[in-house]
Amino acid sequence: EVQLVESGGGLVKPGGSLRLSCAASGFAFSGYSMNWVRQAPGKGLQWVSSITSDSFAKYYTDSVKGRFSISRDNAKNSLYLQMNSLRAEDTAVYYCASEVISNSALDFWGPGTLVTVSS
Amino acid sequence: QSVLTQPPSASGTPGQRVTISCSGSSSNIGRKAVSWYQQLPGTAPKLLIYNNNQRPSGVPDRFSGSKSGTSASLAISGLQSEDESDYYCSTWDDSLNGQVFGGGTKLTVL
Repeated sequence: EVQLVESGGGLVKPGGSLRLSCAASGFAFSGYSMNWVRQAPGKGLQWVSSITSDSFAKYYTDSVKGRFSISRDNAKNSLYLQMNSLRAEDTAVYYCASEVISNSALDFWGPGTLVTVSS
Repeated sequence: QSVLTQPPSASGTPGQRVTISCSGSSSNIGRKAVSWYQQLPGTAPKLLIYNNNQRPSGVPDRFSGSKSGTSASLAISGLQSEDESDYYCSTWDDSLNGQVFGGGTKLTVL
């Protein structure tokens, strides 16, 4: 059974940093691209970042470029999102999602972790 | 303002067929495969349709997808009360070099 479990969320002050983790199991993690998608309270889904299976390519939505960094450790079946210079508008539930079934189709999702940026 | 445009709401009665549209451009839907997601309140999204019209294992065949030009549609036939949910379309955008989502459509089963 595929499982994705995010951790690392919490309350942080504006300008602060957080590192999110996503632990994967039940599939060949090292063979697939992975993504972070967020959802602000009461709002729709927003893709944040993705990384290819070999970490060769990394992509970011414009609003987080230069502040967030995606990485992965295939030996540990883990995905990460380093978030720096956090802003109030980064407040959201952050989901990790896999692309196993097809490119750009996010087939498995974790339950999400809440990040709240507030003073 | 979402790159992909969906109607904010849709509705139908049990047993009806409902369609939800998703409009994009030549840099996204016009050249890339579309996926659809269902999100029940308080839960993570679930993949319903990928590659425009393919259903993952376990998704009922009441759900179907189609694409024409720069638009895509999700159809739900034999509407059931448990279909009441938010639905999102998504694809890759070559100009933005990133995944884009529609703003979401809230489906109400009357």
